[in-house]
Amino acid sequence: SQTIHQWPATLVQPVGSPLSLECTVEGTSNPNLYWYRQAAGRGLQLLFYSVGIGQISSEVPQNLSASRPQDRQFILSSKKLLLSDSGFYLCAWSVANGQYFGPGTRLTVT
Amino acid sequence: GQQLNQSPQSMFIQEGEDVSMNCTSSSIFNTWLWYKQEPGEGPVLLIALYKAGELTSNGRLTAQFGITRKDSFLNISASIPSDVGIYFCAGLRPMDSNYQLIWGAGTKLIIKP
Repeated sequence: SQTIHQWPATLVQPVGSPLSLECTVEGTSNPNLYWYRQAAGRGLQLLFYSVGIGQISSEVPQNLSASRPQDRQFILSSKKLLLSDSGFYLCAWSVANGQYFGPGTRLTVT
Repeated sequence: GQQLNQSPQSMFIQEGEDVSMNCTSSSIFNTWLWYKQEPGEGPVLLIALYKAGELTSNGRLTAQFGITRKDSFLNISASIPSDVGIYFCAGLRPMDSNYQLIWGAGTKLIIKP
């Protein structure tokens, strides 16, 4: 069966510091991978998606970037965090209809 | 941009009551998905609908894919405390060589003690 992992689970970072969030998927090959952000009490905002290694599409221009160095690894990064980057970051995968989500990373920028 | 109108935004109900929420759009979708998200966790897929008019159940949950392909509803019968959470609809449609998933803003379900 397929599983999706995210780490860390929670993170507190100062403004201006770098960020690296990691997502890995097991039990499937060549999945589509997604990064979402969810502000408190709000819906899901698609940030990036990837259909293959090295292929990244950005949905929202911002100071975040994504990379896919391996088939089942998806990384969300920032060189300098802003206060507005605080939120709940969710990674998801899909191979056909539907998306399946990881447990999420709670990021607080102070 | 494309969006789904999900309503209601929140619901306060008594335990044992039935719940109904829906999503509408001006666009046609090939698939409708319903998710539930509990605090601090990622959304979990509850029901997937693939065909216009399809009615699918998952325990006390029932969802339907609207005939026009522009809407869907989710019903929860005889609600219990563990039903609390935020329910999201999502519509899937082809885009280029991939597909596009559009999300509703969510319905927060709160059960009054």
